[in-house]
Amino acid sequence: DIQMTQSPSTLSASVGDRVTITCRASQNISTWLAWYQQKPGKAPKLLLYKASTLESGVPSRFSGSGSGTEFTLTISSLQPDDFATYYCQQFNTYSPWTFGQGTKVEIK
Amino acid sequence: QVQLQESGPGLVKPSETLSLTCTVSGVSINSYYWSWIRQSPGKGLEWIGYIYYSGSPKYNPSLKSRVIMSIDTSKNQFSLRLNSVTAADTAVYYCTRDAVYYDFWTDYYYYYMDVWGKGTTVTVSS
Repeated sequence: DIQMTQSPSTLSASVGDRVTITCRASQNISTWLAWYQQKPGKAPKLLLYKASTLESGVPSRFSGSGSGTEFTLTISSLQPDDFATYYCQQFNTYSPWTFGQGTKVEIK
Repeated sequence: QVQLQESGPGLVKPSETLSLTCTVSGVSINSYYWSWIRQSPGKGLEWIGYIYYSGSPKYNPSLKSRVIMSIDTSKNQFSLRLNSVTAADTAVYYCTRDAVYYDFWTDYYYYYMDVWGKGTTVTVSS
């Protein structure tokens, strides 16, 4: 299976901060990657797919980059609604789809 | 507006079969792939498998020997059966719609889970 490793596991930040989360794949996954946001007690919500394509309705302060084995999710200016846990997921068709372990963004 | 709703027992005894149904509204079930995902504190988010209205389902090899997914196009529903459950199968179970995007320039298909159900908690306990 392809292992997805996110860093950091927890991130403390303030409103207005620029935040970057990293996701590393154990093997090349091209740009077969999506990012999700999850709030407590809720289902994950799609933010980006194909590593950098913003899902309709998602604010433009969210952006994604990377290909191969290293990817980043950036929030350009953290808003109160963005405090949540973020997950990456790979969609390599030759491997079971797997998620990162999550990055919790909390208030500093 | 597309909506997914999971339903099924919240409590299952060890060694028995977990059965869940996802009811899809707002779109035909024939148009997309559909997955089951589960989330537990110990294992995080885990993809169980996906199904399409035609063709064979694809399962996570770690669960393949215990999983059966099926689809009922007349009811716009798809289902999950997981047999021989243990406490390790205790989790929140989500159903999802899996969209597929074809990139002409790369000739690649890109998948992503764009609609999720609210999730249902299943506890395995005697």
